[in-house]
Amino acid sequence: QVQLEESGGGVVQPGRSLRLSCAASGFAFNSYGMHWIRQAPGKGLEWVAVIGHDGGHIDYADSVKGHFTVSRENSENTLYLQMNSLRAEDTALYYCARDKDIGHFDYWGQGTVVTVSS
Amino acid sequence: EIVLTQSPATLSLSPGERATLSCRASQSVGTNLAWYRQRPGQAPGLLIYQTSNRAAGIPARFSGSGSGTDFTLTISSLEPEDFAVYYCQQRGTWPLTFGGGTKVEIK
Repeated sequence: QVQLEESGGGVVQPGRSLRLSCAASGFAFNSYGMHWIRQAPGKGLEWVAVIGHDGGHIDYADSVKGHFTVSRENSENTLYLQMNSLRAEDTALYYCARDKDIGHFDYWGQGTVVTVSS
Repeated sequence: EIVLTQSPATLSLSPGERATLSCRASQSVGTNLAWYRQRPGQAPGLLIYQTSNRAAGIPARFSGSGSGTDFTLTISSLEPEDFAVYYCQQRGTWPLTFGGGTKVEIK
């Protein structure tokens, strides 16, 4: 069955960096686009980034453009999110999700928590 | 970006009752709208995609309708596991956006 498992979250000071990973299994990872979506504590969902199945299509929400970078390693079935210059407003539960039909999300991981605090 | 407005914010109903949730877009998204259910402490799960298509394993009590700017998710008879928060999401125009959510709570 499809499984997505995020890791790499933690507590980090403002201005520092963190890299999240999402390990995928149970499907042909190299055939699917992948997304990062976040949820601030007690808030709704915010789409963060997308990467195409071969890394060819990449896009970001304006709120993270220029300080987050999405990438993937298909040989390792792993998705990444490099987060630089972290700010308090980046504090959230970060989910990875598999793309459906270029822009919907059919499978989600359980998320990893990022807390930006001094 | 397209803003999705969900109403009501909270819906108080009893098990077995019918739930009707609304999602309005600030501009047309065609039929490029999905619905997700998020149970407490869990990740969201896809219910409906492209306005009216049920995702794999989703029971027939869930149905979606609409087009353009006005969309509806209907749950014909609420089960205990349906008391949760529901989000709509559009893929008609990038960036992808979500509505603010409707909480369906037990009356």
